[in-house]
Amino acid sequence: EAGVAQSPRYKIIEKRQSVAFWCNPISGHATLYWYQQILGQGPKLLIQFQNNGVVDDSQLPKDRFSAERLKGVDSTLKIQPAKLEDSAVYLCASSFWTGANTGELFFGEGSRLTVL
Amino acid sequence: AQSVAQPEDQVNVAEGNPLTVKCTYSVSGNPYLFWYVQYPNRGLQFLLKYITGDNLVKGSYGFEAEFNKSQTSFHLKKPSALVSDSALYFCAVSPTGGSSYKLIFGSGTRLLVRP
Repeated sequence: EAGVAQSPRYKIIEKRQSVAFWCNPISGHATLYWYQQILGQGPKLLIQFQNNGVVDDSQLPKDRFSAERLKGVDSTLKIQPAKLEDSAVYLCASSFWTGANTGELFFGEGSRLTVL
Repeated sequence: AQSVAQPEDQVNVAEGNPLTVKCTYSVSGNPYLFWYVQYPNRGLQFLLKYITGDNLVKGSYGFEAEFNKSQTSFHLKKPSALVSDSALYFCAVSPTGGSSYKLIFGSGTRLLVRP
């Protein structure tokens, strides 16, 4: 079974530039998450999709971050303009949706962003 | 506020010795509890979870965790550590109830098992 695919693995940009990350979840997983993991910290949820609808984006900095999942499958996370503090690993995860909390999220390997 | 605390940044243990990685949480109700492991340049991998029932849950790679409701703790344990267990370990909680489901992670504990 193919895992969660993310690209690019690494990206270096200058502040005020824009960047986009792509995620393809495991086939059949209705729920998709984007997490931000800053060095030395645990992952922080940015946005959660259920199919192509947003369930939770309360911690997404909406003035510069945006995300979409148009067809309920793959997703794109965009940052525009980037700030130095956006340097982090952006993790995509997916899970089944059974209507009950089952617990297991499947994570991709992450996209490491460095903002200079 | 809902939170997860991992009080140790790093845990050092000799191979063959038992290990414990600590986790406490502050979440209302009866949350679901998880441990994930992260190897270098890899995504997080699910280790085990507690939903309900027996307070001692067993997971992958010989790990187990003990749920203690009165102490709001969910410590990760292994009877005999391996060098290959060296990695970054994250405790996470999922508040129950509501229509959405998400994980709140602790800051992580680096486990170093020396030969």
